[in-house]
Amino acid sequence: AQSVTQPDIHITVSEGASLELRCNYSYGATPYLFWYVQSPGQGLQLLLKYFSGDTLVQGIKGFEAEFKRSQSSFNLRKPSVHWSDAAEYFCAVGASGGSYIPTFGRGTSLIVHP
Amino acid sequence: DSGVTQTPKHLITATGQRVTLRCSPRSEDLSVYWYQQSLDQGLQFLIHYYNGEERAKGNILERFSAQQFPDLHSELNLSSLELGDSALYFCASSLTDGGTDTQYFGPGTRLTVL
Repeated sequence: AQSVTQPDIHITVSEGASLELRCNYSYGATPYLFWYVQSPGQGLQLLLKYFSGDTLVQGIKGFEAEFKRSQSSFNLRKPSVHWSDAAEYFCAVGASGGSYIPTFGRGTSLIVHP
Repeated sequence: DSGVTQTPKHLITATGQRVTLRCSPRSEDLSVYWYQQSLDQGLQFLIHYYNGEERAKGNILERFSAQQFPDLHSELNLSSLELGDSALYFCASSLTDGGTDTQYFGPGTRLTVL
């Protein structure tokens, strides 16, 4: 069974600073990997996803993530954070074969200081 | 706005009661997914329907059931409610039943069991 770990419950950054949110997964084969963002009182929105090919994935809102098989990681990055990026971020892993049952991490809450 | 609608937005009920949550997917989508989000369990996949058929089951209790109707809207029925069922329930939809599809999340239904 797959699993996802987001080691950081909260991350605080200053506006304009760079950001990296960590995600480690456990899955026997090549996983499907996702990053979602959830703003307060709203549903989740997909930022980006990785299935195969180029290990550096570009997403919406200026986010990118890099798949590193050797480290079982899929960290999310943004070069310059805006105050509107304050939200909860979820990493998810899905099975690449058979029934698709996604497993979500516990989330990382991003706080942005002005 | 994802195009996925959920009703009601909030629901307050008592233990032992039964409630029905409704989800309307995006007009082009055939798949509907249900998730439960709580503070202690995080975001948990419940069940997936594709074009009216159940495709995958996650951590869904026996007291919970769901169905997808011919017009593709879906309902999640929760019965014999317990305090621990208090949570945010999200519906998501996607174009097909493929694991690579983007899932579009609704705004959620907040269920409070007193």
